[in-house]
Amino acid sequence: GAVVSQHPSRVICKSGTSVKIECRSLDFQATTMFWYRQFPKQSLMLMATSNEGSKATYEQGVEKDKFLINHASLTLSTLTVTSAHPEDSSFYICSAGGQRATNEQFFGPGTRLTVL
Amino acid sequence: TQLLEQSPQFLSIQEGENLTVYCNSSSVFSSLQWYRQEPGEGPVLLVTVVTGGEVKKLKRLTFQFGDARKDSSLHITAAQPGDTGLYLCAGSTVGSNYKLTFGKGTLLTVNP
Repeated sequence: GAVVSQHPSRVICKSGTSVKIECRSLDFQATTMFWYRQFPKQSLMLMATSNEGSKATYEQGVEKDKFLINHASLTLSTLTVTSAHPEDSSFYICSAGGQRATNEQFFGPGTRLTVL
Repeated sequence: TQLLEQSPQFLSIQEGENLTVYCNSSSVFSSLQWYRQEPGEGPVLLVTVVTGGEVKKLKRLTFQFGDARKDSSLHITAAQPGDTGLYLCAGSTVGSNYKLTFGKGTLLTVNP
């Protein structure tokens, strides 16, 4: 399968600061990337779909001004959590897809965000 | 809105037992994937099924796609502690812009 990396793997920040998370597809060009949020022992919750060179499409209830997504190249998408608050603490996972007709997605290892 | 009902949500069994996880929907999926996720890591793709009635085997894991492509099952034979994890089914439909619909997951614990 395809390899997707995510950086950082873990970040702790103070309330009110912004945090950027990078997602890279290492061995293929990803025209479409996805950002998910996951709470403990629960399934993935899609936040937004990111298409290279265009604006991200956000799911209902996700604040686009708070979760800024940029997909400037075929191998890199970034998620910036702006003015983070403790309720934003979560496990954020990106995936790359759109490469096959079967719509498989290949996931990064995730980023654990803790906002103090 | 497509929904994937996954059951059971939690499963705790002893090593050597067999188990089956189900994913059901009223929607038809063009493909369905099964993923396994360990704590603190991203999901890892186990298998993709695309043809109604398809059966795929991966060592002790058997995956089945329903004839109508609305449901799928994962059967594990002689479970081992290393099988412990969160199992997720996810379906894709035509025109979904590559988005996947995820089930709620099955948290499996295999006790030695």
